[in-house]
Amino acid sequence: NAGVTQTPKFQVLKTGQSMTLQCAQDMNHEYMSWYRQDPGMGLRLIHYSVGAGITDQGEVPNGYNVSRSTTEDFPLRLLSAAPSQTSVYFCASSYRRQGATGELFFGEGSRLTVL
Amino acid sequence: GENVEQHPSTLSVQEGDSAVIKCTYSDSASNYFPWYKQELGKRPQLIIDIRSNVGEKKDQRIAVTLNKTAKHFSLHITETQPEDSAVYFCAARSNTDKLIFGTGTRLQVFP
Repeated sequence: NAGVTQTPKFQVLKTGQSMTLQCAQDMNHEYMSWYRQDPGMGLRLIHYSVGAGITDQGEVPNGYNVSRSTTEDFPLRLLSAAPSQTSVYFCASSYRRQGATGELFFGEGSRLTVL
Repeated sequence: GENVEQHPSTLSVQEGDSAVIKCTYSDSASNYFPWYKQELGKRPQLIIDIRSNVGEKKDQRIAVTLNKTAKHFSLHITETQPEDSAVYFCAARSNTDKLIFGTGTRLQVFP
């Protein structure tokens, strides 16, 4: 049971490049989400999904795309990277079913630098 | 949209003293309020949570209180220890399932 797995852990991009941050969970969680963490700004929600085929925008969705084709995977795509997207990115998942705890399980984080 | 405010941003206490962190939320439909602890270089981890039908919850040295009328909730840590030093985040979940976090409180416990 690996929990939430994010790759890569570190990435350096040039402005305008594209990339995908991968996220996979093996806990059969319905809910998956992506956050970015910047100093002094806490964890800001980028996109989230309540189940396969369903995605929705969070607080800071601009510049990011997501898809949820399976329960396990929730990749985050940066279409044209900008220096403002330099951050630490966390994927997180939880159960959503009635009676389950709402505990969000986080991946280890991905540190992205855009030059 | 939903918003969660958290205060203070930094908190320094002497070992053995109590620490209190406060949060307010804007969405009156919020129904779940967790607290996460993040140690340096690590991922956030849940330490305690409370649902909207409960006013207070305790777990050893940690307690959380919720005032739905005022839309605020607080984390109380008693008998603080150096290992409590970390960044603490509050969060609120709306009925759209979004979990919105506060901006965090850096707690330092001095021996």
